Amino acid sequence: GQSLEQPSEVTAVEGAIVQINCTYQTSGFYGLSWYQQHDGGAPTFLSYNALDGLEETGRFSSFLSRSDSYGYLLLQELQMKDSASYFCALNSGGYQKVTFGTGTKLQVIP
Amino acid sequence: DAGVTQSPTHLIKTRGQQVTLRCSPKSGHDTVSWYQQALGQGPQFIFQYYEEEERQRGNFPDRFSGHQFPNYSSELNVNALLLGDSALYLCASSPSYRVGSPLHFGNGTRLTVT
Repeated sequence: GQSLEQPSEVTAVEGAIVQINCTYQTSGFYGLSWYQQHDGGAPTFLSYNALDGLEETGRFSSFLSRSDSYGYLLLQELQMKDSASYFCALNSGGYQKVTFGTGTKLQVIP
Repeated sequence: DAGVTQSPTHLIKTRGQQVTLRCSPKSGHDTVSWYQQALGQGPQFIFQYYEEEERQRGNFPDRFSGHQFPNYSSELNVNALLLGDSALYLCASSPSYRVGSPLHFGNGTRLTVT
């Protein structure tokens, strides 16, 4: 099977940078995705890493290291609206099954 | 362009009853996945439908079944409801032809079993 582990909670200051780590176990996968979910809302896609290295999308960057079974999401210039839960997820299987991690609740404080 | 729509938004059922949840995928998407999300947890994969067939299934009992229609919409059925089935049920759609394509989620159906 597959499993993904993340820290349960992270607190950071508005304007700062925060990194959310994700370690995983799997026998095979296409890539690692990140999703954001505000309380009471639906998960929304943030980024996808098919290859090792850094992917940058505006204030968000995501990193993957297949050799270390590790990835992270980097959020820069934190804003209050970034307070949400963040999930890493493995894309695998012939029909793009997506398996989600345990989630990290990010609280941004003034 | 409508996104993923789910109905109903909220549902209260009694233990032992049966429930049907519905999902219409985003325009242009042909693959539908269903997830169960308990409070404070990550979405758990239930199953995935493509071309009207169940293609992949997570670790859920046979009480959970589904269907996909020719217009790509989908239903999730849960029989013999248990208290532990209380959760947010999320439907997600994606195009099958792109590896790594994002899942687009609906706002979910909040099921409460009493």
